[in-house]
Amino acid sequence: GQQLNQSPQSMFIQEGEDVSMNCTSSSIFNTWLWYKQDPGEGPVLLIALYKAGELTSNGRLTAQFGITRKDSFLNISASIPSDVGIYFCAGPSNAGNNRKLIWGLGTSLGVNP
Amino acid sequence: NAGVMQNPRHLVRRRGQEARLRCSPMKGHSHVYWYRQLPEEGLKFMVYLQKENIIDESGMPKERFSAEFPKEGPSILRIQQVVRGDSAAYFCASSPLVFYGYTFGSGTRLTVV
Repeated sequence: GQQLNQSPQSMFIQEGEDVSMNCTSSSIFNTWLWYKQDPGEGPVLLIALYKAGELTSNGRLTAQFGITRKDSFLNISASIPSDVGIYFCAGPSNAGNNRKLIWGLGTSLGVNP
Repeated sequence: NAGVMQNPRHLVRRRGQEARLRCSPMKGHSHVYWYRQLPEEGLKFMVYLQKENIIDESGMPKERFSAEFPKEGPSILRIQQVVRGDSAAYFCASSPLVFYGYTFGSGTRLTVV
């Protein structure tokens, strides 16, 4: 079945640094979604990508939809302590119901102030 | 404009009891989804519902689990005769007719003792 592989699994950076994480799959996705989950809370949608090659920003966050439609990356610039959390990529299943999302296992981000 | 409301936030049940988890979607959202998250894992799709209809329940265990989204009132995820392996965070999400990604609730953390 479809799978999303996220890397790195975890990272710790200094406040002010930029960070990059990615999400890859062996199968094609037509939409890529990036979510952030804070401890004890539900995931919050950060960026949605709908077209191959698309580059979209949301404040200090930038995400790209890979041209092959098999990958996506998320960059965070000038990190701050509140960026701490788990970042998930997700994409619609291509089997039947396309509102069923397939999720990666997440990248855990720690920021040292 | 309230978001997706889930209750209770925390639920403790003894083995063999029933757990009922409630979800009120965002105003204007007619589609509800339930996901389960185990510690340090991504989210796993369980079921997708519209009012009075189950659209996709391919992620629901065949026994003991059921979901409904009645014409009036919240969506309910019911787990009968709970076992320790049911302990997890259960998240509800909702979306409007045109799908641009979900809005999640804060989740219900079920602990089976």
